[in-house]
Amino acid sequence: EAGVTQFPSHSVIEKGQTVTLRCDPISGHDNLYWYRRVMGKEIKFLLHFVKESKQDESGMPNNRFLAERTGGTYSTLKVQPAELEDSGVYFCASKLGTGGGEQYFGPGTRLTVT
Amino acid sequence: QKEVEQDPGPLSVPEGAIVSLNCTYSNSAFQYFMWYRQYSRKGPELLMYTYSSGNKEDGRFTAQVDKSSKYISLFIRDSQPSDSATYLCAMRAQGGSEKLVFGKGMKLTVNP
Repeated sequence: EAGVTQFPSHSVIEKGQTVTLRCDPISGHDNLYWYRRVMGKEIKFLLHFVKESKQDESGMPNNRFLAERTGGTYSTLKVQPAELEDSGVYFCASKLGTGGGEQYFGPGTRLTVT
Repeated sequence: QKEVEQDPGPLSVPEGAIVSLNCTYSNSAFQYFMWYRQYSRKGPELLMYTYSSGNKEDGRFTAQVDKSSKYISLFIRDSQPSDSATYLCAMRAQGGSEKLVFGKGMKLTVNP
């Protein structure tokens, strides 16, 4: 069974540009999560989709971040316009059912904003 | 005060040693406790998953949860060089948000 995949693995953009990150969850997993880790800090939650609906977006830092999951399969996270402090590693995770259960993480996208 | 505290180390041990990794937390609503292992430039890999209190063993790994003390531990027996990685504790509440709250991660090196 394929794991969570993320694309690209690394992105370098200039301040003010737009970047779109993609996550493909494990097949059949209705729950999809975005997290990020900025330098020297803990991994922090951004938001949670159940199928195509946003269940919890309490961790989204500001309105420059837009997450979508059209059709309830893959998800995209767009940062527009990017700022220097957005640099970090963005992880996606997926989980099978509701309630408890393990979240499985992807390899992450390393975003560098210069 | 952070919700989850984890000594970031680093920790260096000889091969074969018993390793003890720990996290403390402040939110009494946490019911699900996880340990993830992360190799350099990779994503976190789920190692152990525990609901509520008690112990769980899987091969050389044992996870313990003491909710009365708000303290969780991961023990690695007969440590191997391949165990060298960053170990992250994570936890979440039951009901409501499913967000995981992570510790900073402890970098472990097992020397042959």
